[in-house]
This record gives sequence, structure tokens and C-alpha cells, in this order.
Amino acid sequence: GQNIDQPTEMTATEGAIVQINCTYQTSGFNGLFWYQQHAGEAPTFLSYNVLDGLEEKGRFSSFLSRSKGYSYLLLKELQMKDSASYLCAVMDSNYQLIWGAGTKLIIKP
Amino acid sequence: IAGITQAPTSQILAAGRRMTLRCTQDMRHNAMYWYRQDLGLGLRLIHYSNTAGTTGKGEVPDGYSVSRANTDDFPLTLASAVPSQTSVYFCASSDSTSGGTDTQYFGPGTRLTVL
Repeated sequence: GQNIDQPTEMTATEGAIVQINCTYQTSGFNGLFWYQQHAGEAPTFLSYNVLDGLEEKGRFSSFLSRSKGYSYLLLKELQMKDSASYLCAVMDSNYQLIWGAGTKLIIKP
Repeated sequence: IAGITQAPTSQILAAGRRMTLRCTQDMRHNAMYWYRQDLGLGLRLIHYSNTAGTTGKGEVPDGYSVSRANTDDFPLTLASAVPSQTSVYFCASSDSTSGGTDTQYFGPGTRLTVL
């Protein structure tokens, strides 16, 4: 079966750095996506990785290792507004997105 | 309008009733999707449409139907609602033409409660 694993919840301090991991087992791979979802709102696109390595976009970076079936999202200089759920999703061989359950990130002052 | 809109925002429905959730996008995206999101679970695909006039079944299609008469609209119908269909429903769209990243963009969601 297809599976995306990510931690259920993480806590970090304002101004710090946090890394959210995602491991996956899917039938085929056509890219990995990270989305941010604030409570009661829609998911919004953060990043896309299809090749191994690090993609940096401002305070957020995303890393991919296809051989290990592993990705992480790195958030730097955490702000209170970063409190949200972070969703990892993999596009499989049928170009369908398989979603993880999300990681709820709690930022403390 | 800009992006994707969904209606209604929320709805309480008696079991056995028929309900249509509406979704409209103005980005001229060819592909559209319906997901449900339940606590502790990832988004689950109900139905999708790769282009106007075609639809396909996702992971959890039972009890739901869709149509795609044109590029902009993708309604989701519950023929006879049951309590297990209580969920938050998200519509999404993507430009899945050759060379695109297939990034999906989401509407604001419909919170549905079936009693």
C-alpha cells in the first residue's frame, strides 16, 4: 500500500529553527509537495521537490532524497504566524496526490 | 472572483437528504479535484476530473458523484447523505498540462454535518 508518515505534532520556540520530517512509500514518484494549513482554512502550497537536494524559498526550505523516500521541511526564524499544520504529499505514478495526515506545529513565545 | 470558490461555507443536513456542493474556479485549470478531510487522516481524494467532460474515481468515491460540464465548475453531489459523510470538503484545481508541476490550489472548503 501507499503510505506517508510525518509526526503528529511538534513544538518550537519563536525565533528558532524546526525541521519536519516526512517519509513515504508510494507506487511511483512524480514529485513531493509541502502545504501549510492554518486551523479552519484551506491548504496553501509551500514547496515542490522532484529532484534530490534542497530547495530554498525565504525562511522555508525543503529537502528530498528519493533513494531514502525521505523529505523534510525546514522553517527558520520561526514566527507565531507559522503555527499551523504542515502537510506532506507525494504524487504517485498515476499523478494522484497521496497525503500525509499532517504535522501540527505549535510555536511558543 | 479570483481562484477557487466553494458554496456553501457550511451546512447541516438530515440523513437521507440530497446535497450538492458547488465549486468554481477562474484560473482556467484543466484538472479539478474533490477531497474530504477528517481529523487525524490525510486528505482523501473522492473524485477528480482531468479535463471538461471527463471524471474519475479517487480513493473514497462511494456515495458521491460529480460532473464536469465545463472548465470552471465541478459540483459534488451526495445522493443520500449518511452521518459518515460528515467532514470538511475541499475542492482543488491544477494546471496539469505538459511541463507543469501539477500544483493543486484549494478552495476555502465546505464544512458538512450530517445528522
